[in-house]
Amino acid sequence: GAVVSQHPSWVICKSGTSVKIECRSLDFQATTMFWYRQFPKQSLMLMATSNEGSKATYEQGVEKDKFLINHASLTLSTLTVTSAHPEDSSFYICSARRTRGLAGQETQYFGPGTRLLVL
Amino acid sequence: AQSVAQPEDQVNVAEGNPLTVKCTYSVSGNPYLFWYVQYPNRGLQFLLKYITGDNLVKGSYGFEAEFNKSQTSFHLKKPSALVSDSALYFCAVRDLLGSGTYKYIFGTGTRLKVLA
Repeated sequence: GAVVSQHPSWVICKSGTSVKIECRSLDFQATTMFWYRQFPKQSLMLMATSNEGSKATYEQGVEKDKFLINHASLTLSTLTVTSAHPEDSSFYICSARRTRGLAGQETQYFGPGTRLLVL
Repeated sequence: AQSVAQPEDQVNVAEGNPLTVKCTYSVSGNPYLFWYVQYPNRGLQFLLKYITGDNLVKGSYGFEAEFNKSQTSFHLKKPSALVSDSALYFCAVRDLLGSGTYKYIFGTGTRLKVLA
């Protein structure tokens, strides 16, 4: 199946620093990627939709200046948590949309997640 | 707005017994429904999806799901559970936003515990 990677898999940082998380689709091109946040024992919360070559679309309540998203190529999207604080500690998961065939069959493939701990 | 509901926080089943993880949906138009599984500290893995066609959809690892329009349900099933199936399962629906954009809406998840 399709593979999506995330790097790093976990990161610990000091409060006030910025952290960049990479999401790559390894064997397909993805014009659209998604960034989710998951709190312990809770469902995934969509943060933003990342579109290659254009600005990301943020969900209501998500600060776009806090969570910077860049989708510079068809296989890479990055999420930068700026001036991270302890409340930003969470599990961040990306996914990439793969479209196949003339009918546009599509499936969303998820990365393994990045655990962020802000001290 | 589109939504899915997973009424059970946890399901326990003995190894070898059939398992069912429930999901109901509320959508306008034709639903695109998905099941994903999440193992501890991992991202989600795609199991199966329903877009159109046969109501019984077969997916990975021996799982299947039945789309029932009259009951607005999309329950996940497996004839014989394995201990290794123990994980967190998410039902999701695709919410088409217009201009070809969409997002996935996830249920709250059901923790499956298969007992040896």
